[in-house]
Amino acid sequence: DVKVTQSSRYLVKRTGEKVFLECVQDMDHENMFWYRQDPGLGLRLIYFSYDVKMKEKGDIPEGYSVSREKKERFSLILESASTNQTSMYLCASSASPQGEKLFFGSGTQLSVL
Amino acid sequence: QQPVQSPQAVILREGEDAVINCSSSKALYSVHWYRQKHGEAPVFLMILLKGGEQKGHEKISASFNEKKQQSSLYLTASQLSYSGTYFCGPSRFNYGGSQGNLIFGKGTKLSVKP
Repeated sequence: DVKVTQSSRYLVKRTGEKVFLECVQDMDHENMFWYRQDPGLGLRLIYFSYDVKMKEKGDIPEGYSVSREKKERFSLILESASTNQTSMYLCASSASPQGEKLFFGSGTQLSVL
Repeated sequence: QQPVQSPQAVILREGEDAVINCSSSKALYSVHWYRQKHGEAPVFLMILLKGGEQKGHEKISASFNEKKQQSSLYLTASQLSYSGTYFCGPSRFNYGGSQGNLIFGKGTKLSVKP
């Protein structure tokens, strides 16, 4: 079975902390994505990567950065967490650069207090 | 340019049918449909690439109109297991000069009652 694994299911952090969300996929996919999901807003793209060390901004990159040092791992970094970054974060991977047939991780529910 | 989904929510009895629509102001490269059950990750249902295409998945099917600006998801004889939030995710080809990515609609929450 294909798998996208996110390191934490629930995370609680304080305002101003640096936060790392980790995502690992075992499908040898070139393309990986970070979305955040908020009630009433659906899924919004933060960043994506189509190759190691390559990254592109999505629709809401402000306050976030990413790292892709290895093909299987894509990390989302909140440099200084703020309360408006409280959200469900979903990682996904795809064999296609157009993101066709995304495989999602189970998500990390981040609460910033 | 988030695609517009309608309705936002729908409640059905088992065995009833539903239609979920997804519209864009511009022609799309393709349209994807995902279902997310409560507390779970979204799961891919199907992708439509061509204008006029129709595709089926058990009792769930979808269409993509000729102009590639609207897609509809059809759920027939609904079952309790169909409950969840359905997202359309049209792709944007050559977004920003590099690779494409997926922009999702806000979702349609479907509840099937016994």
